[in-house]
Amino acid sequence: DVKVTQSSRYLVKRTGEKVFLECVQDMDHENMFWYRQDPGLGLRLIYFSYDVKMKEKGDIPEGYSVSREKKERFSLILESASTNQTSMYLCASSLRGQGQAFFGQGTRLTVV
Amino acid sequence: QKEVEQNSGPLSVPEGAIASLNCTYSDRGSQSFFWYRQYSGKSPELIMSIYSNGDKEDGRFTAQLNKASQYVSLLIRDSQPSDSATYLCAVSEDDSWGKLQFGAGTQVVVTP
Repeated sequence: DVKVTQSSRYLVKRTGEKVFLECVQDMDHENMFWYRQDPGLGLRLIYFSYDVKMKEKGDIPEGYSVSREKKERFSLILESASTNQTSMYLCASSLRGQGQAFFGQGTRLTVV
Repeated sequence: QKEVEQNSGPLSVPEGAIASLNCTYSDRGSQSFFWYRQYSGKSPELIMSIYSNGDKEDGRFTAQLNKASQYVSLLIRDSQPSDSATYLCAVSEDDSWGKLQFGAGTQVVVTP
C-alpha cells in the first residue's frame, strides 16, 4: 500500500525558531513535493525534488529551504519561522512519468 | 501565472442526486488532469485521473475533459453523505516532474 509519512501531525513553534518538517515515502518514487494549504488559496507548491540532492523552487519558496539526501526522505526547513507561515503543510510523492501524486497526512504548523 | 479555477461552493446536493463540479485551467500545455477528494482535516486522496478528451467512468464518478475549451469536470452519481468533502482539481504540464497546479477546491455537501 502507498505510504507517505510526515513526522508530525501538529507542531507549535515560536517566531524565529528553525523548524524541520520531515517526510518519508516507501514507494521508491523519484518525485517529492512540499505544498502548503491555506483556506481559500488551495494547495501551493513550495519546493519539489525529482532526484536525490536535486531541488527546484515552486511557486512560494521564500522563507523555506529543502533537503533530499536520500531518495525516500524530503525535508522542509523554515529557516526563521514567522507567523505568516502558520499553515497546513502537505508532503507528496509521485513516480517519474506519472503525474498522480500521493499525499502524507499533513502537518498543521502554528507559529506563535 | 498558470491558474486552475473552481467554484468554491458549497455545492448542496440531495442524497441520490448527481453532483456536477467544474474546473477550468489556463495553461494550454497541460497534459494530465486529476480530481482529489479531501475530507475536513485530512489530506487529499486521488479519485480520478484523465489524460485525453472525452469521458472516463469509475464507479459513481465520471471525469470529462475538453482540452479545446480548457475545461475538466467531475460528475458524482447517486451522491451519498460520505461524498461530502472538498474536491480539488489538479493539472499537470509535465508528468516527468509531476508538478501539479491545484484549484482552490469545491466544497460538496450531500444532504439526506
